[in-house]
Amino acid sequence: AQRVTQPEKLLSVFKGAPVELKCNYSYSGSPELFWYVQYSRQRLQLLLRHISRESIKGFTADLNKGETSFHLKKPFAQEEDSAMYYCALFSGGYNKLIFGAGTRLAVHP
Amino acid sequence: DTEVTQTPKHLVMGMTNKKSLKCEQHMGHRAMYWYKQKAKKPPELMFVYSYEKLSINESVPSRFSPECPNSSLLNLHLHALQPEDSALYLCASSQGQGKYNEQFFGPGTRLTVL
Repeated sequence: AQRVTQPEKLLSVFKGAPVELKCNYSYSGSPELFWYVQYSRQRLQLLLRHISRESIKGFTADLNKGETSFHLKKPFAQEEDSAMYYCALFSGGYNKLIFGAGTRLAVHP
Repeated sequence: DTEVTQTPKHLVMGMTNKKSLKCEQHMGHRAMYWYKQKAKKPPELMFVYSYEKLSINESVPSRFSPECPNSSLLNLHLHALQPEDSALYLCASSQGQGKYNEQFFGPGTRLTVL
């Protein structure tokens, strides 16, 4: 089965603390993974994708095929990072994105 | 123009009404999508159009009827909806339907069915 699991509904940290939002996937082929972010009252937007290997707003994510994980990390959280984060897997067989349940990140001052 | 626009922003309708949601993009994208998002849940794919042809229908009830009149426009016609259909309806577009194509999302239409 093709599936994306985000085990934490809510992650609460203080400003300046490191952040890791967990994402695990189940996929039989070569996965294409994404992180999407939804800030309050804003549209859903792409944060980063594993194939581009770039760092956006200080966030990085590394694909670990052995652990089937694509965790999102940032060394020092900022209050403006507070948002809903969705990990997504592109299913080549179904030609569509499969979203995880999402993790709400709350960064406190 | 690098945005996906959706109208209306909010819609309240009764179970016997007929209404339509509209989505527009002028980025030259050839794939367009409808998603349904319930509160505190991820988006769920409903329909995909690729080159103006219906490519994916995720077994959506027939009370939802999509239409793609041209490459820039996507409509979702609503008829005889149920209260459980109340949700945020998101439109998205991408250059193509494949895995290397970033999906750009609109702000959504918040639908309430009374």
